Amino acid sequence: DTVLTQSPALAVSPGERVTISCRASESVSTGMHWYQQKPGQQPKLLIYGASNLESGVPARFSGSGSGTDFTLTIDPVEADDTATYFCQQSWNDLTFGSGTKLEIK
Amino acid sequence: QVQLKESGPGLVQPSETLSLTCTVSGFSLTSYSVSWVRQPSGKGPEWMGRMWYDGDTAYNSALKSRLSISRDTSKNQVFLKMNSLQTDDTGTYYCTRDDDYFDYWGQGVMVTVSS
Repeated sequence: DTVLTQSPALAVSPGERVTISCRASESVSTGMHWYQQKPGQQPKLLIYGASNLESGVPARFSGSGSGTDFTLTIDPVEADDTATYFCQQSWNDLTFGSGTKLEIK
Repeated sequence: QVQLKESGPGLVQPSETLSLTCTVSGFSLTSYSVSWVRQPSGKGPEWMGRMWYDGDTAYNSALKSRLSISRDTSKNQVFLKMNSLQTDDTGTYYCTRDDDYFDYWGQGVMVTVSS
């Protein structure tokens, strides 16, 4: 299975730029997608195909990367962005990362 | 609009079989695939398996021996059956519209495996 590794937690202040990383154990080309999950809610798709913004998602969110290293960027961060962010790959079967919990100070 | 809704028991006895139903609206099961994804509390999601739009199925290799996914297109429903449940199968189970990424999710159903 392709293992996706994410940093467990980040804390930033409103208005700052934050990058959340996801590293794959093998190449997934651009088959990487990002989700936001708030407590008690289902995950919400933010980015698909590494860099494509899902309809309705604010342009503050962007994605980049290919191969094994990927980044989700939020710029500028807002208080409502407090959530856990998961990456998911679809190149080699389907697997998720363990998530990065983002705290807004 | 696109909607998915899971239904099924919230409590299952150890070693028993879990049966869940996903009822969809706003899209056709013959045009889109549907996957089941589960998530233990405080952990990342885990893809369980997929009902392809053409009726074929695909399963997570770790669950394949216990899992079966089927559908009834006339009722717009996708079904999950998983046997030999254990306590580490406890979590929230979601059905999702699947285009290699999951763009629509149901609200989820919390399943507890306990005697």
